[in-house]
Amino acid sequence: KAGVTQTPRYLIKTRGQQVTLSCSPISGHRSVSWYQQTPGQGLQFLFEYFSETQRNKGNFPGRFSGRQFSNSRSEMNVSTLELGDSALYLCASSAVVAGETQYFGPGTRLLVL
Amino acid sequence: AQSVTQLDSQVPVFEEAPVELRCNYSSSVSVYLFWYVQYPNQGLQLLLKYLSGSTLVESINGFEAEFNKSQTSFHLRKPSVHISDTAEYFCAVKSTGFQKLVFGTGTRLLVSP
Repeated sequence: KAGVTQTPRYLIKTRGQQVTLSCSPISGHRSVSWYQQTPGQGLQFLFEYFSETQRNKGNFPGRFSGRQFSNSRSEMNVSTLELGDSALYLCASSAVVAGETQYFGPGTRLLVL
Repeated sequence: AQSVTQLDSQVPVFEEAPVELRCNYSSSVSVYLFWYVQYPNQGLQLLLKYLSGSTLVESINGFEAEFNKSQTSFHLRKPSVHISDTAEYFCAVKSTGFQKLVFGTGTRLLVSP
């Protein structure tokens, strides 16, 4: 099976702009989670989607949003970008079975100037 | 709330020496435990996991971890490291039924010849 794919891999934006990141889960996986990784805060959970519904949300401002489509692909959006949003954004997918191991994509590295 | 503590931010070791990366967690509910590895400019790769059953779990590349409920620990060990093991290692916990992974701050393993 193909792994989790994320596009784009690298992105440069300026403050105030918005950005959309995309994630395609492993075939058959219906749960998609997003994480932000920064040197200062480490790995932090953003949100999780299952069957097009947000099931769980981390402690991030409303500028961070996401959605999931009927084919389980997911997007996350960050509006009004701030310098502090520069990070590696990781997507993880999992099958909804006991154990629910999450498998991560390569990430999208966002740089906000 | 759950938390994970990785006390060692960096562990230098010589090739073929043994290594232990420490992980302690805090949780009021039953958890699943994971170790992920991250190579430079890549996403997270699952190294091993504890879900239930035998408290000693092994990976295909020689790492092992032991779940100790009384000490709330899940230390990662390898009897003989290789240069290629140089990477950052993250311990994570997840409560059963939820997809949110809580990560430690990571331990950078530096293997030198």
